[in-house]
Amino acid sequence: QMQLQESGPGLVKSSETLSLTCTVSGGSISSYYWNWIRQTPGKGLEWIGYVYYSGTTNYNPSLKSRVTISLDTSKNHFSLRLSSVTAADTAIYYCARQLRSLDIWGQGTMVTVSS
Amino acid sequence: EIVLTQSPGTLSLSPGERATLSCRASQSVSSSYLAWYQQKRGQAPRLLIYGASSRATGIPDRFSGSGSGTDFTLTISRLEPEDFAVYYCQQYGSSPYTFGQGTKLEIK
Repeated sequence: QMQLQESGPGLVKSSETLSLTCTVSGGSISSYYWNWIRQTPGKGLEWIGYVYYSGTTNYNPSLKSRVTISLDTSKNHFSLRLSSVTAADTAIYYCARQLRSLDIWGQGTMVTVSS
Repeated sequence: EIVLTQSPGTLSLSPGERATLSCRASQSVSSSYLAWYQQKRGQAPRLLIYGASSRATGIPDRFSGSGSGTDFTLTISRLEPEDFAVYYCQQYGSSPYTFGQGTKLEIK
């Protein structure tokens, strides 16, 4: 069965760019919508955006100016870049497949923004 | 953006009892694109219900969803010990997708 796994630095300096990758195993990335979501104690679950297998993207307006989500079909993974991070971007970041809503999730990765 | 408000914030029940969780939307959810998730400590959310009332693969039939428009309900008919967790609703009918703040289901 399909599995997703997030990877990337757990610590990012303030004002720099957060970069995470979600590797898809047990199936092809060449279908579906691929999402990023984050979770903080204060704001709960926040949808960041998605990339469709065709390359079409859709972002949360609250983050749109700083977010890029892309996919690499040759590597069967998709990625998140969030620029100009601040302490408010400290969160657990999840990737998820969207078929019937968000039906498969990665385990999540904690990212801390340090000053 | 559609704001989802879940109630109650915390629900204290005993195993074997029935749980009823509510999710109210600030505007109508398109095509009943409303989902429910269960999250246990240290784990990712798990999809329970999509399309307001369809159970996801492998979800026991004690979980059921209902509702349309702006009012939705998740019902757990008879609580098992493993059901005590936090539950979130989410709408995916309009962008940006949004989540409720969660209902914590705790053992009484």
